[in-house]
Amino acid sequence: QKEVEQDPGPLSVPEGAIVSLNCTYSNSAFQYFMWYRQYSRKGPELLMYTYSSGNKEDGRFTAQVDKSSKYISLFIRDSQPSDSATYLCAMSAVWNTGNQFYFGTGTSLTVIP
Amino acid sequence: EPEVTQTPSHQVTQMGQEVILRCVPISNHLYFYWYRQILGQKVEFLVSFYNNEISEKSEIFDDQFSVERPDGSNFTLKIRSTKLEDSAMYFCASSDPGLSSGNTIYFGEGSWLTVV
Repeated sequence: QKEVEQDPGPLSVPEGAIVSLNCTYSNSAFQYFMWYRQYSRKGPELLMYTYSSGNKEDGRFTAQVDKSSKYISLFIRDSQPSDSATYLCAMSAVWNTGNQFYFGTGTSLTVIP
Repeated sequence: EPEVTQTPSHQVTQMGQEVILRCVPISNHLYFYWYRQILGQKVEFLVSFYNNEISEKSEIFDDQFSVERPDGSNFTLKIRSTKLEDSAMYFCASSDPGLSSGNTIYFGEGSWLTVV
């Protein structure tokens, strides 16, 4: 069983749409939850970071964590063509053996002008 | 804003040759990582490094790979005898869970390795 599951898409939406990206996970020990944006042939860029459950908003982006359901979401409002990228969810916990991060496979998003 | 820097951005090498990819992690971070991404595929974990030793490695990180922190700022990945299937983007990353900014991982822009 994979630690983190993410629908790979691809997802195609018209400009201005609300986009919902989701991940599920199996390990209840995860405490830190992140979303990254990756443009083609570039490094993943940290978009949002959340500790434990709850919502966090930053401009057009909202991250939600529901630990009881082991489910995290990223919402993008008023989507723009520049939002076209692959979005990776990630999560972590600090173990005695080190500090490991677990990534989803990424969802490819295209915003059509 | 602090960032992870990687060199070279692109390297072409012949099969069987040794390659060293270099990284300068964020200066106050303590955990360092290498990840690999084959074109069009997911980001794959290779190895993590803490306190001058490997803390965890994946099945991909076999005997042809090694990592080193030769000084206080650089972190390197060596591939001893490259194979065609080593062609990928290699990302260096760093983190520090002890920081008030939280436990997040920051990536460099990647080194694109092409083995011919």
